[in-house]
This record gives sequence, C-alpha cells and structure tokens, in this order.
Amino acid sequence: ILNVEQSPQSLHVQEGDSTNFTCSFPSSNFYALHWYRWETAKSPEALFVMTLNGDEKKKGRISATLNTKEGYSYLYIKGSKPEDSATYLCSKENSGYALNFGKGTSLLVTP
Amino acid sequence: EAQVTQNPRYLITVTGKKLTVTCSQNMNHEYMSWYRQDPGLGLRQIYYSMNVEVTDKGDVPEGYKVSRKEKRNFPLILESPSPNQTSLYFCASSLVQGGEKLFFGSGTQLSVL
Repeated sequence: ILNVEQSPQSLHVQEGDSTNFTCSFPSSNFYALHWYRWETAKSPEALFVMTLNGDEKKKGRISATLNTKEGYSYLYIKGSKPEDSATYLCSKENSGYALNFGKGTSLLVTP
Repeated sequence: EAQVTQNPRYLITVTGKKLTVTCSQNMNHEYMSWYRQDPGLGLRQIYYSMNVEVTDKGDVPEGYKVSRKEKRNFPLILESPSPNQTSLYFCASSLVQGGEKLFFGSGTQLSVL
C-alpha cells in the first residue's frame, strides 16, 4: 500500500445499526494513526490518536483499533444515530511528523 | 476559548495577485500545518511547522510559501495564485509534533479566477 486508503467510500445505515470502517496504510515509517470526524460545513474534529500496535481507544459508542504491523485500523460505531452522520477521516503520521490523509468514509444514518 | 483562527473565510481573487491566508492559535501549540481539500482527493498537507523558524514541505507545497516567525501564527502565502489553487484550505495545530490530535481552523474557501 502506497497511500492511506479508506473503505468503504460511503455507507448508509439505519439508526441502531452497528458499523465499521477500515483505514489501510503503509506500515513503514509509522508514528501515529489519527481518526477525525468531519461534519458538513464544519471543521474536522479529532476522535482518536493511536501510536502503539494493538492500541484500542473508545469514546462513548465509537471505538478504534490499530495494527501497525499489517498497516490497518478499524473504526467501530455501535448503535448508530442520525447525529453520527459525517465523513470519517483517518491519517497516518510518519516519523517525520508529516500527515497523510485518506479520502474518508461518508456515513449516513437514517432514522 | 481555545481555538485556531483562520482569515478570511471566503476569498475570490484573480490569477497572479499575491494573497495571504492567516492562521493563529491561542493554545501555545508547537506544531502547525496547512491542508487543502479538493473533491475526490481528500485532505492534502501543504506545509507544516514543528516550531518557530522550523518548516517543512508536505505533499503539495508547489506554489505556496509559509513562515513561522512567532509560535502562534502560521500564514499561508500564495505569491502568484493560479486557478488550480482554487480549493478549501484548513490550518491546524497540535500541542507538539508526534502523536497529538490536531485542532482545525474553520477553513478558507479560495477561488482564483
């Protein structure tokens, strides 16, 4: 993998469904993995920053895991709500402190 | 209130007319960076700075300049804007470089005619 890739590109779920997204990244030159939530007409807001292989972070109904050896991270949302609708961005921070973002996963949660 | 302030929010200009987008943070953050957002391409890093007088190129630095003379300010300068620099720009900062979450400004929508 040469770039940060996110899948799926978009997702439409019903309220109450649980869902997950994937972020794949080159495992070389790794320093940290960031997840951001970006609502329309607003600025991205940080969800998690993870640095260690095996890291797991949780914030309410949202959690994330990190595998630096194989170069992927998962973001999970349990019991989706309409207010979870947003674009979710992941970014790999390399050891020189530059950040490379994926194109995001756009989530729509309908009542 | 802790924040990253970008100005202006919207800017329409013409090709070749020098412009500056300002970015200021009041959180005493060491790391600051600039990004552009284009449809289908995601956020791409233009420049970043790890501290005063320390800047480095991101993925797409061509046509842009930055300076970091004070810790709180990190302006983005377009010496001779071109239409392909029409984009949504974000400034962001974090406490230190390395493993810290970014705080984003509200964005600047730039149109170069």
